[in-house]
Amino acid sequence: DTEVTQTPKHLVMGMTNKKSLKCEQHMGHRAMYWYKQKAKKPPELMFVYSYEKLSINESVPSRFSPECPNSSLLNLHLHALQPEDSALYLCASSLGIQETQYFGPGTRLLVL
Amino acid sequence: KNQVEQSPQSLIILEGKNCTLQCNYTVSPFSNLRWYKQDTGRGPVSLTIMTFSENTKSNGRYTATLDADTKQSSLHITASQLSDSASYICVVRDSTLGRLYFGRGTQLTVWP
Repeated sequence: DTEVTQTPKHLVMGMTNKKSLKCEQHMGHRAMYWYKQKAKKPPELMFVYSYEKLSINESVPSRFSPECPNSSLLNLHLHALQPEDSALYLCASSLGIQETQYFGPGTRLLVL
Repeated sequence: KNQVEQSPQSLIILEGKNCTLQCNYTVSPFSNLRWYKQDTGRGPVSLTIMTFSENTKSNGRYTATLDADTKQSSLHITASQLSDSASYICVVRDSTLGRLYFGRGTQLTVWP
């Protein structure tokens, strides 16, 4: 298995909803990442996990809560989001922090 | 300030023609430079990776060059195909924290 999978592909949620994005890889990678990408802009790093521990939080608002239950899974819990949080959320993984990152297809999120 | 600048912002070419995309960076100290291809609504896919000592690297019809002295890179696409229509993103990694710096991308459209 040589890919990063993300679910769901699309998500529409209200500002009072609680939802979760999921990311999975079975390449034995020990670093996993969440990025946010707005239209026509480059991806912006949100969180980095290394060996299942949060190593970087790019000052992301607390309404985004990451979780790494094991080395293959990465979740992003969403609560009380704002319309400006609508974006493509990309998950990536790499063998180690300094290695090539492999991106998933993304979850397109729309907050109403 | 660490930055990655890409040009042109967008480009339209006819199928079968060649094109060259540019990337200038100020990231220091430099670790490596990657070119990614991102189809609309999808995650980026790595095309090439170049380290300080590499001047040129090819991946099929894609050829990347790197001049570490002038901090410039280019991506040359030969005999373009309709499927080459995508955003091409230049990403530079620094060698201290291993942080990635993304360019804004060049939006390439190939017309039949």
